[in-house]
Amino acid sequence: AQSVTQPDIHITVSEGASLELRCNYSYGATPYLFWYVQSPGQGLQLLLKYFSGDTLVQGIKGFEAEFKRSQSSFNLRKPSVHWSDAAEYFCARANNLFFGTGTRLTVIP
Amino acid sequence: DTEVTQTPKHLVMGMTNKKSLKCEQHMGHRAMYWYKQKAKKPPELMFVYSYEKLSINESVPSRFSPECPNSSLLNLHLHALQPEDSALYLCASSQDKAGYGYTFGSGTRLTVV
Repeated sequence: AQSVTQPDIHITVSEGASLELRCNYSYGATPYLFWYVQSPGQGLQLLLKYFSGDTLVQGIKGFEAEFKRSQSSFNLRKPSVHWSDAAEYFCARANNLFFGTGTRLTVIP
Repeated sequence: DTEVTQTPKHLVMGMTNKKSLKCEQHMGHRAMYWYKQKAKKPPELMFVYSYEKLSINESVPSRFSPECPNSSLLNLHLHALQPEDSALYLCASSQDKAGYGYTFGSGTRLTVV
């Protein structure tokens, strides 16, 4: 089955530290991949997406992700985390958007 | 207009009630989706409409009935729901099913009592 896997349920980082959230996909062809963020009680906000071309994708709020076919990964990174980044992060793939299980990010002062 | 608008934002209904959720977009998107999200879980795909025709039903119980009256509107009719159906219901649209430009609404928080 075509799917995305987020191995980390919960990650805690200190404010100002770097962040990497993992996402692995299983799909025969190059998938369309997305990262979304959801704050408590809020809707989903698109951070970035990958369809083809340059494997390093820049998104909003200082996030970036790198598509690595050899590792079937699409990890999300941020060089310096802010307290406002605390939220739930979902990796997803198309067609018909299917979500990974999510990673909850806690930021400590 | 670059938004997906969902109404109502909150809904409380009894198990014998009939209610409807509404979703509207004016971006010219031809694919529209309903998702269900339980607390601390990812959104789960329920239905996909493509060019106003139902293309995917992810084995959703018949007490949930989708309707796409036109290319801008998507409804979800609710009847005889159970308390476990309480969740955040999200609507989304995209240019097509392949995924160019998904846009999500802010959701309807449904409580079944």
